[in-house]
Amino acid sequence: GEDVEQSLFLSVREGDSSVINCTYTDSSSTYLYWYKQEPGAGLQLLTYIFSNMDMKQDQRLTVLLNKKDKHLSLRIADTQTGDSAIYFCAERSSGYSTLTFGKGTMLLVSP
Amino acid sequence: EAQVTQNPRYLITVTGKKLTVTCSQNMNHEYMSWYRQDPGLGLRQIYYSMNVEVTDKGDVPEGYKVSRKEKRNFPLILESPSPNQTSLYFCATRDTGSPETQYFGPGTRLLVL
Repeated sequence: GEDVEQSLFLSVREGDSSVINCTYTDSSSTYLYWYKQEPGAGLQLLTYIFSNMDMKQDQRLTVLLNKKDKHLSLRIADTQTGDSAIYFCAERSSGYSTLTFGKGTMLLVSP
Repeated sequence: EAQVTQNPRYLITVTGKKLTVTCSQNMNHEYMSWYRQDPGLGLRQIYYSMNVEVTDKGDVPEGYKVSRKEKRNFPLILESPSPNQTSLYFCATRDTGSPETQYFGPGTRLLVL
């Protein structure tokens, strides 16, 4: 099956930028998503990008997609302690009805 | 308010005692699914349903059953729970618009002794 890989842990200081990386194997991905899971809660959609886009910016969030390398990244500018959470990368393939999730990256923001 | 609800939120049970985790949504979404989340393994899909009376196996369906008799409800049934089913379970729905956002319930933490 398709595979989505993420680094498991990232630690940054408050005010710095965070970059969470993700690689995937499916070349027919249509949508790629970033979900955020805060402690004790379900996943919430943070942002997404269509596979025909290279970049998407949404306030403090910047998503970069390199289709050639099958690499997706999420940059959080001016990271705050409230950004501490687990971030999941997910991809949706054309022809498949399900999402494939990465294992999640735990972001820890220290004051 | 659009939401996905799950009950119970926490459950401790013993091996072999049948249990059901309910999932209900008020968004009229056709697609619903169940995931389990385990440390180091991320989210794995158990079952999904494209519409009423249509269910399909996900990646880890063994030991689980589901039913979809009506659009809003998608219960997860463990006929004979075992300790390896101790996990955090999420129900999710998905809309059909672009980009087909999935909406997750708050999770059910299950401990099987």
